[in-house]
Amino acid sequence: DTGVSQDPRHKITKRGQNVTFRCDPISEHNRLYWYRQTLGQGPEFLTYFQNEAQLEKSRLLSDRFSAERPKGSFSTLEIQRTEQGDSAMYLCASSHPRSTYTQYFGPGTRLTVL
Amino acid sequence: GEDVEQSLFLSVREGDSSVINCTYTDSSSTYLYWYKQEPGAGLQLLTYIFSNMDMKQDQRLTVLLNKKDKHLSLRIADTQTGDSAIYFCAYSSYKLIFGSGTRLLVRP
Repeated sequence: DTGVSQDPRHKITKRGQNVTFRCDPISEHNRLYWYRQTLGQGPEFLTYFQNEAQLEKSRLLSDRFSAERPKGSFSTLEIQRTEQGDSAMYLCASSHPRSTYTQYFGPGTRLTVL
Repeated sequence: GEDVEQSLFLSVREGDSSVINCTYTDSSSTYLYWYKQEPGAGLQLLTYIFSNMDMKQDQRLTVLLNKKDKHLSLRIADTQTGDSAIYFCAYSSYKLIFGSGTRLLVRP
């Protein structure tokens, strides 16, 4: 399978714990995006990278959130001191430099904060 | 998202056509998209249309864009039970702005 992959698929954690999610984009895709989707809503943009550079962060991305893409390949999204309001599906997408307008999504990581 | 509005629910009979509608506010959007999401899954890109087009057809899917009214629609011909899912309208210049989705239920 050469699609976008995300790990883990599901994460249950207690309030106050830190969690980290990983996204592996499609090979040769230089842009990588993170979105958050809560129940009954469409995905909301969090941040994106072009190669290893983080070019934009949404206001939704509080100080407890940090994303990295150190070598311009996979990316990690860390949430520190999780809160119940962080419970959501975290979606990753990537796009190819010759068609940046077409984003392909991974299966998502569903986070539940108890 | 309040920038993109979609009706919440649509129910059709198998074999009929489905039409899902969307209105958006950003007049500078370059591309408009339809994504499909099945339960517990990520988003599947169905089709997209460039903002200088008014129609695009791809097999059973027809996209109509009325740029003056900022209205986008997706028509699914010969709707099948496997088409039951949530359909999201979105626009972008680089990041995607999504609607809240329309749940399509196809009755046998």
